[in-house]
Amino acid sequence: KAGVTQTPRYLIKTRGQQVTLSCSPISGHRSVSWYQQTPGQGLQFLFEYFSETQRNKGNFPGRFSGRQFSNSRSEMNVSTLELGDSALYLCASSHRQGPNTEAFFGQGTRLTVV
Amino acid sequence: SQQGEEDPQALSIQEGENATMNCSYKTSINNLQWYRQNSGRGLVHLILIRSNEREKHSGRLRVTLDTSKKSSSLLITASRAADTASYFCATVEDKAAGNKLTFGGGTRVLVKP
Repeated sequence: KAGVTQTPRYLIKTRGQQVTLSCSPISGHRSVSWYQQTPGQGLQFLFEYFSETQRNKGNFPGRFSGRQFSNSRSEMNVSTLELGDSALYLCASSHRQGPNTEAFFGQGTRLTVV
Repeated sequence: SQQGEEDPQALSIQEGENATMNCSYKTSINNLQWYRQNSGRGLVHLILIRSNEREKHSGRLRVTLDTSKKSSSLLITASRAADTASYFCATVEDKAAGNKLTFGGGTRVLVKP
């Protein structure tokens, strides 16, 4: 069974640009979450989708958005990039809807904003 | 914002020794999970302990949970060089909808051969 796949693995963008990151969950998983990891702030929750509906949203500005498609694949978009958006962006998928379920993480997309 | 803190921030031990790390959190939780991360890569789930459980084992891992103190500990016994990684605790809040994880700051573990 293939794991969570995130593309691209590495990305360099210029301030002011926008970027779209993609996540393909494990087959059969309908819950997809996104996290941002930086040395200063650690791992922070961005948002969670289940069956194409955003179920939870973290404390990030509106420049960060996401969506989930009918095949459970998810994308997140960051517009008007800032230097502080440089981070490792991690996607996780879960099989069940409830809280008592483990999350399976992808390898992440490392975004560098210059 | 992070749920809490992990202690110590870094740990260096010899192969074969035990490694213990602690996690504190702030809110009422449904469960607490531990994850491992190797050098800036994805996280790997290690163990989940529910709020009504006090101790759980998985292989060389032992996790305890004290909800009265809002704390948890992870013990890795007979450590190996391959255990070198960062370890994170993560909580799911009580009555939360979904699978939102709130992470601690992590403990960096170095196991020297």
